Amino acid sequence: LQLQESAPGPVKPSETLSLTCTVSGGSMNSGSYYWGWIRQTPGKGLEWLGSIHKDGNTFYNPSLKSRLTTSIDTSKNQFFMQLTSVTAADTAVYFCAFGISYSSYFYIDVWGKGTTVTVSS
Amino acid sequence: QSVLTQPPSASGTPGQRVTISCSGSSSNIGKYFVYWYLQVPGAAPRLLIYRNDQRPSGVSDRFSGSKSGTLASLAISGLRSEDEADYVCAAWDDNLRGPVFGGGTTVTVL
Repeated sequence: LQLQESAPGPVKPSETLSLTCTVSGGSMNSGSYYWGWIRQTPGKGLEWLGSIHKDGNTFYNPSLKSRLTTSIDTSKNQFFMQLTSVTAADTAVYFCAFGISYSSYFYIDVWGKGTTVTVSS
Repeated sequence: QSVLTQPPSASGTPGQRVTISCSGSSSNIGKYFVYWYLQVPGAAPRLLIYRNDQRPSGVSDRFSGSKSGTLASLAISGLRSEDEADYVCAAWDDNLRGPVFGGGTTVTVL
């Protein structure tokens, strides 16, 4: 399984950041998997943003819940995130990630290479 | 700051054994399995250890994981130059209701 994040265009403060993750080497329709987003900054390290199950159930980091939306299109083998009202604090490397269900939680099994997002006017 | 605490760096000479710690709390490591990832700049992070001490197929047995209470550890034995990378721990967290991560430990081979 491989994941590839899209490269976003320039993002200005107050705008919406949109990212796409394209999945290859496997079907998004099989299994109990969670398709999610994680970002990394030098100051805060790795931060889980949110994940979506193939049935559409979403799980968000409470700190971003009001600004983050995730969606999935299994027919295209893609999933998406939108982060509204971005600020410089949202500047980070964004990873898409594949999570596997285990007991009452899921863990991250496969990551994309990451895409750098810079929020600047 | 990261929820899980790791030392920022660790080092050793070729052939040595290096151990990296990962400290958490009762809401994460104390309750759930720990996972370790290897991160090389420009590459996708790779799962190294799952469920505290299990190695995915293809991961060298030089890597081993353990956990006791709210503290987990990753050991690298027979250190090699290609082991130079960042190592990150993770666990599910009840407060976040999602995975939390350590700040990462940069391993240097002297």
